[in-house]
This record gives sequence, structure tokens and C-alpha cells, in this order.
Amino acid sequence: EAGVVQSPRYKIIEKKQPVAFWCNPISGHNTLYWYRQNLGQGPELLIRYENEEAVDDSQLPKDRFSAERLKGVDSTLKIQPAELGDSAVYLCASSPASGSWHNEQFFGPGTRLTVL
Amino acid sequence: AQTVTQSQPEMSVQEAETVTLSCTYDTSESNYYLFWYKQPPSRQMILVIRQEAYKQQNATENRFSVNFQKAAKSFSLKISDSQLGDTAMYFCAFNTGANSKLTFGKGITLSVRP
Repeated sequence: EAGVVQSPRYKIIEKKQPVAFWCNPISGHNTLYWYRQNLGQGPELLIRYENEEAVDDSQLPKDRFSAERLKGVDSTLKIQPAELGDSAVYLCASSPASGSWHNEQFFGPGTRLTVL
Repeated sequence: AQTVTQSQPEMSVQEAETVTLSCTYDTSESNYYLFWYKQPPSRQMILVIRQEAYKQQNATENRFSVNFQKAAKSFSLKISDSQLGDTAMYFCAFNTGANSKLTFGKGITLSVRP
């Protein structure tokens, strides 16, 4: 079974440029999460999807961040414009079923973003 | 506020020995799940072990076991017979189900010496 796929693995951009990250969750997983992990810290949730609905985006900086999961499968996270403080690893995770909050979350390898 | 504290930033252990990683947490919820995740240098986070707060018996997965002290809000991870492949960052986390959000600690870097 394929795991959570993310691309690109690495991205270097100049500040004020846009950037997008893509995630394909494990097949059949309804719940998808985007996390940001700053250097030396644990991941912090940005947004959670149940199928195509964003059910928790309270930590997403909506002035510059956006996300979509149009068909309830893969998802894109966008930053526009990027700032120096956005340098981090962006992790995508998925879990099997809605409401099964005790389930394991399966993480992708992440995208390391460097903003210069 | 829900918080997870991992006060030890780094630990080192000799191969084949036992090491314990500490974690404390704070929540006002009565039911929750606790997790230890491992993040090797390649960055892919994987689940090590999981504990439901209502279960008194400590969870065990092969060489990994936990010491769950609910009253003290403590959830430590014991790794027995440490192996070189155990070298990684370890994150303690919990999920109360109120919003299905995993709250992570800052992590601890574990190095296993040959």
C-alpha cells in the first residue's frame, strides 16, 4: 500500500513569491491534515479536511495561506506571498475515517520550504 | 489550553541498553489518546505506540512500552534493547477528540551509540 505522497520534497523561493505544495493521502482515507513543523519543534496543525470539507482551519493564516481538496482526495496548500517566517517543513497526514480521532495519523515525508 | 511538555531536548543511549523518554501533558478532557511518534532523519513520522486514557494497563509494542500515570498527567516511553535504528526525534502527542487535533510536544532527539 502506498503511503502519503507529497511533492515537492524541497522548495527554495524568494520572499513575496507564491508557492504550492501537493499531497496525495493513502487511498480510502477520508481525513487529511496539513501541519507546519518549524525547526526543532513539533508539528502544528494548519487545517483538517473531512472529505472535501475543511472542518478546522482555525490555525491557518488566511491572509496568505489557502488550501483546497476539491474531490476529497488529493490536496494543495498554497502560500502567497511567502514571508521569511514561512520557512519550515510542511507535513501532510491522513487517517482512515471521519470522527475516528483515536486513529493513527499517517504522515508524508514533508516539503521543506526555504524562503530567502 | 492543551499542552505537551518534553523537557529533555536530547538523550543518548548505548546500543542494547534501555532508555526512558519523559512527557507530561495538560488537558481538562477526561477521555483522550496519547501517542509517541518517531521521526527519523528522513523526516517521515511514524507511530510508535498509542494509549487510551481510560485504559489502566500500559501499552506495549515489542521493545517499546509506556508508563502512563493519569493523575500525574505523565506519559513516558521506555525503549528496551536500544538499536541503532532507534536514532530519531521522538514526539509525544495527544488527541482529545474535541477537534481531532493532535497536540505535539517539542520532541526529543535520541541518539543510540554503537
